[in-house]
Amino acid sequence: AQSVTQPDIHITVSEGASLELRCNYSYGATPYLFWYVQSPGQGLQLLLKYFSGDTLVQGIKGFEAEFKRSQSSFNLRKPSVHWSDAAEYFCAVGAGGTSYGKLTFGQGTILTVHP
Amino acid sequence: DSGVTQTPKHLITATGQRVTLRCSPRSGDLSVYWYQQSLDQGLQFLIQYYNGEERAKGNILERFSAQQFPDLHSELNLSSLELGDSALYFCASSVSSGLNNEQFFGPGTRLTVL
Repeated sequence: AQSVTQPDIHITVSEGASLELRCNYSYGATPYLFWYVQSPGQGLQLLLKYFSGDTLVQGIKGFEAEFKRSQSSFNLRKPSVHWSDAAEYFCAVGAGGTSYGKLTFGQGTILTVHP
Repeated sequence: DSGVTQTPKHLITATGQRVTLRCSPRSGDLSVYWYQQSLDQGLQFLIQYYNGEERAKGNILERFSAQQFPDLHSELNLSSLELGDSALYFCASSVSSGLNNEQFFGPGTRLTVL
C-alpha cells in the first residue's frame, strides 16, 4: 500500500526567504505525485504534479518540486515566499494510473510567513 | 472557485442520526471523489464514481454509502453517526477517471456530531 510522510508539521519562514517542504513516499510502482495547497476555509488546489519525464516540475504560484527516485522524495520549493503563501500544504501519491484516481495524502505541513 | 459545489456548508447533528451530503461536479466532469479530513486520520480517500458507476473504494465505513446520479451529481450518506465521524468532507471532480486528470476540490461540508 502506498503512503506519504511529511516530516514537518509546521514551518515558519520570513517573507522573501526561500522555502522547502519535504515529502517522502512509499509506492511499489512508478509514482504519480502531487502537491496541493489548502487555505483556511477553502478546498484543496493543485500546485503541481509529476507523472514521468523531467524530474523537476514547475507549478503554479512560482512553486517547483523535484522527484528523486533514489530518495523516494518529492520536495516542494519556492525561491521567495510571499505572505499569501501562508497555508497548509499536502503531498499526495496516486494509485490507479489511467483507470482510477485514489490519492493518498500526507499529514500536511502548515506554513506560517512572518513579515 | 473550483466550480465544484457542496451543500450544506455546515451540518450539526446528533449521534445515531443519518445525514446526506451533496456534491455537484464541474460542468463536463464525469468523475466524482469523496474525501474525509479529520484531525485524527488526516485527509483520506473514501470513494470514486465515474459516470454513475463505482470506480474505486478507499477506507469507507460500512455505515457510509455514496452514489452518483444520471445528472452526475453525487451524494454521500452517513448513517448511525458517531462522534468520530465529525470531520470535513470534500468532494472533488475530474473530467475522466484516471490520475492524469486533475481533481478539482469543492469547499467541503463540515459535519459536527454531538
